[in-house]
Amino acid sequence: EAGVAQSPRYKIIEKRQSVAFWCNPISGHATLYWYQQILGQGPKLLIQFQNNGVVDDSQLPKDRFSAERLKGVDSTLKIQPAKLEDSAVYLCASSSSRDRGPSYEQYFGPGTRLTVT
Amino acid sequence: GIQVEQSPPDLILQEGANSTLRCNFSDSVNNLQWFHQNPWGQLINLFYIPSGTKQNGRLSATTVATERYSLLYISSSQTTDSGVYFCAVVPAAGNKLTFGGGTRVLVKP
Repeated sequence: EAGVAQSPRYKIIEKRQSVAFWCNPISGHATLYWYQQILGQGPKLLIQFQNNGVVDDSQLPKDRFSAERLKGVDSTLKIQPAKLEDSAVYLCASSSSRDRGPSYEQYFGPGTRLTVT
Repeated sequence: GIQVEQSPPDLILQEGANSTLRCNFSDSVNNLQWFHQNPWGQLINLFYIPSGTKQNGRLSATTVATERYSLLYISSSQTTDSGVYFCAVVPAAGNKLTFGGGTRVLVKP
């Protein structure tokens, strides 16, 4: 079974530019998550999708971050405009939870390392 | 929100040594996972263990949900065990996977 796929693996941009990340979850997983991991810390949830609907985006900085999950499969996370403090690893995860939400096991992709200069 | 504390923060081991990592959490949980983040940043699932005991090769884990802690045991450590070990929980009254601060493990040959 293929794992969670993410691209690109690395991205360097200047502040005020825009960037987009892509995630393809494990086949059949209804729930998809985006996390931000700053160096030296544990990952923090940005947004959670159940199929193609948003379940929780309370920690997403909506003035600059946006995410979508068209057709309930792939997802993209966008930052526009980027700030220096957005430098981090962006992780995508998925789980097979349906009615029980995040209580089921989450599986993580390899992440995208973003550097904003 | 729920607090997740891991100890020790750093651990240096000689190859072949055994060790125990601890995760304390402040509230009841529906989900508890242990991960290993390798030097390339990949989070690898070790255990999904909201309660009970599990073993996988040289690794085992025990969660005592009533006392709000979990332990990860590494036996006969190898250099490939180096990295950061994270405990993460979903509180019974919430829906977010919340990570602890991690334990940074370095296994020396």
